[in-house]
Amino acid sequence: EAQVTQNPRYLITVTGKKLTVTCSQNMNHEYMSWYRQDPGLGLRQIYYSMNVEVTDKGDVPEGYKVSRKEKRNFPLILESPSPNQTSLYFCASSSGQGSNQPQHFGDGTRLSIL
Amino acid sequence: GENVEQHPSTLSVQEGDSAVIKCTYSDSASNYFPWYKQELGKGPQLIIDIRSNVGEKKDQRIAVTLNKTAKHFSLHITETQPEDSAVYFCAASSRSNYQLIWGAGTKLIIKP
Repeated sequence: EAQVTQNPRYLITVTGKKLTVTCSQNMNHEYMSWYRQDPGLGLRQIYYSMNVEVTDKGDVPEGYKVSRKEKRNFPLILESPSPNQTSLYFCASSSGQGSNQPQHFGDGTRLSIL
Repeated sequence: GENVEQHPSTLSVQEGDSAVIKCTYSDSASNYFPWYKQELGKGPQLIIDIRSNVGEKKDQRIAVTLNKTAKHFSLHITETQPEDSAVYFCAASSRSNYQLIWGAGTKLIIKP
């Protein structure tokens, strides 16, 4: 089954404790992306990747890092999480090298930073 | 900067009636306009999309219309059913085509 898998689905942690949210897709998609979703603000893009070893900042990249060493994986790293990063996070992937193709989303990761 | 405005933020319709959600985009270079449905506890899922060389597209009870001159596009759902209750997002491709610009979402409530 074609899917985007995020882990963990839920995480409660404390300020400053490094964490990684993993994202994996099995559709051989070139394009992958991370979003955060906050009430009333819709989806805001954090980082995206057009292909292996090619990443770029989205609209809200501060406090986040990403890497794309393999085509299927696109982890999101919070080196020193802060309470304002409490949010619902989504990973997405699509074919091609842009976002003008349908995006497939994971089911989300709810992060709470205390 | 590039932005997409989506209205209304909440829409309540009687089961069986039609629902219309409207979006306006700012960049005339946008050429791809998808609509996503998000159910509770799930990620957004594409329900229909349209490209700038087409004015209308239909898939069963769902249709999307695009007016490039006015930079408007709309989602039309006919014969609404309880399972249509969800949050709907519109989006437009950015000038660079590497990003989507998202609307803020519309919560659609179908009243029995």
